[in-house]
Amino acid sequence: SYVLTQPPSVSVAPGETARISCGGNNIGSKGVHWYQQKPGQAPVVVIYYDSDRPSGIPERFSGSNSGNTATLTISRVEAGDEADYYCQVWDTNNDFGVFGPGTKVTVL
Amino acid sequence: QVQLQESGPGLVKPSETLSLTCAVSGDSVNSDPYYWSWIRQSPGKGLEYIGHIFYSGSTSYNPSLKSRVTISFDTSKNQFSLRLSSVTAADTAVYHCARTTVVGPVDFWGQGILVTVYS
Repeated sequence: SYVLTQPPSVSVAPGETARISCGGNNIGSKGVHWYQQKPGQAPVVVIYYDSDRPSGIPERFSGSNSGNTATLTISRVEAGDEADYYCQVWDTNNDFGVFGPGTKVTVL
Repeated sequence: QVQLQESGPGLVKPSETLSLTCAVSGDSVNSDPYYWSWIRQSPGKGLEYIGHIFYSGSTSYNPSLKSRVTISFDTSKNQFSLRLSSVTAADTAVYHCARTTVVGPVDFWGQGILVTVYS
């Protein structure tokens, strides 16, 4: 089945920009969704279909997808952005969702 | 606003069957084209998609779990259920039920229920 890769961790200073990559074979041909998960909470979608942002999600969150890499970008990082972030695509061959291993974002 | 709530035993013995139910409010499980999904997260680990049941009743499962998983509806109660057979310690996890858009993102999640497999 389809495999996604993510860096285990990303560290960023407040006010700076965090970029989280999600790698997969020709992932640019798929729709990528990104979730934020804080300790003890269920995940929340922050970007869907590569770059769309749900209502209530700050404009500081953006996404892109091309070739073999999708990227979640968090601009002007705040302490409240510290969380685990997961990318997700749909394995159309087997008709189920596939999640990346997750990236822990630490705000210094 | 759609709400989902998991229920079931928090402890299961090895080799037995894990059974969980998800109560849905704010939507009808068999009227709109959504996937009703189960997703789990082992302690300190990432998310794993177990499978789903479509509003029509068709199902699809993660190939790595397919031989042990059954997802079904109880439409009279607007619920759906998960059965995972022959459990081992590796099945210890927080189990979330969720509503998933067709080949898209999960838009609503339950809070999750911790199930521990112990002997």
